[in-house]
Amino acid sequence: DAGVIQSPRHEVTEMGQEVTLRCKPISGHDYLFWYRQTMMRGLELLIYFNNNVPIDDSGMPEDRFSAKMPNASFSTLKIQPSEPRDSAVYFCASSLTVAVETQYFGPGTRLLVL
Amino acid sequence: GDSVTQMEGPVTLSEEAFLTINCTYTATGYPSLFWYVQYPGEGLQLLLKATKADDKGSNKGFEATYRKETTSFHLEKGSVQVSDSAVYFCALSDKSGGYQKVTFGTGTKLQVIP
Repeated sequence: DAGVIQSPRHEVTEMGQEVTLRCKPISGHDYLFWYRQTMMRGLELLIYFNNNVPIDDSGMPEDRFSAKMPNASFSTLKIQPSEPRDSAVYFCASSLTVAVETQYFGPGTRLLVL
Repeated sequence: GDSVTQMEGPVTLSEEAFLTINCTYTATGYPSLFWYVQYPGEGLQLLLKATKADDKGSNKGFEATYRKETTSFHLEKGSVQVSDSAVYFCALSDKSGGYQKVTFGTGTKLQVIP
């Protein structure tokens, strides 16, 4: 299995632009998680899905952020409009259960908003 | 709410030195505790875990003991190698509102020099 796939690996954009991050989970995994990693706040859970349904989005910072999972093999995290403080590494993870120790992390997308 | 506090890095050690990375936590329930490792350019990988008080998790020469009385889960290794250079994250998992929630520390960077 190729593992969790994220694209793009790096994204540089200007403030105000829309940014879309993509994730392909491991086949057969029912759970998908989006995390944000910054120097100041460390790793934060933004949202997670079970069987394509959002379960807990309490970590989504504000309305500029949205996440979708239209099918079992694809998810997007969108920021519109983007701001410099959104600069971070965004990780996607998938798992068979909700337990954190079973999650497989993707390599991350490094986002820089100028 | 739940929180995890790790010692700030970077920690720089010579090869074969003894390693301790401190981690303390606050939680309302009875959390499970974890250490994750992140190598450059990669996602997080589970290193070890402990699910109840006095449990010791161990893997690849690393170990940590769940100390409820001091709310700590310090990571130790007797003799580090250059290949151990990475960022280490302490984390806890607890149930909140019926859902599993995970809280990560901000990470401690370890640099091992030959």
